[in-house]
Amino acid sequence: NAGVMQNPRHLVRRRGQEARLRCSPMKGHSHVYWYRQLPEEGLKFMVYLQKENIIDESGMPKERFSAEFPKEGPSILRIQQVVRGDSAAYFCASSPPGRPQNTEAFFGQGTRLTVV
Amino acid sequence: SQQGEEDPQALSIQEGENATMNCSYKTSINNLQWYRQNSGRGLVHLILIRSNEREKHSGRLRVTLDTSKKSSSLLITASRAADTASYFCATLNSGYSTLTFGKGTMLLVSP
Repeated sequence: NAGVMQNPRHLVRRRGQEARLRCSPMKGHSHVYWYRQLPEEGLKFMVYLQKENIIDESGMPKERFSAEFPKEGPSILRIQQVVRGDSAAYFCASSPPGRPQNTEAFFGQGTRLTVV
Repeated sequence: SQQGEEDPQALSIQEGENATMNCSYKTSINNLQWYRQNSGRGLVHLILIRSNEREKHSGRLRVTLDTSKKSSSLLITASRAADTASYFCATLNSGYSTLTFGKGTMLLVSP
């Protein structure tokens, strides 16, 4: 049973380009979470999705950022018109169906985005 | 405000010694979780303790939770060089479904 798979592991984009980060949850998991980690910082919550639904996007910047978790395929975090401040490690986590209070989240290895 | 503040920010010990890290939080929680992150890698889940639990053990790890003081501690006994990593506590706050992380404690275990 493969863990949470994120790709690419490293992504370099020029300012103004688009960045697409992919996350395949663990088999059987229906909850996906995206977090961002700046250097020397802890993880900051961005968005929580279930299949075809955004449950909580309170941590997502209002502009340029979007996320989806389609019925088929991986979850995608999309950053349009990237700026240098978007450079960070982006982590995806997944958890199984059921109440989040009773389950642990499993994290992927992250995508390190560098904007040049 | 920042939930789950770890203390100390950095800890340096010798192999074989015990390492204790503390975490404080501000609001009511459902559970508290500890994670380890090796440099440049993803997070590894270590242990989850629910709000109605006071202590949990897993191998060389011991976690305590004091909800009256809104604090938790992670004890690693008989540390090894391989324990060198950053350790984060994360809280699942009441009424929410997502984790709130602290900034972490960097642990260095020297051979």
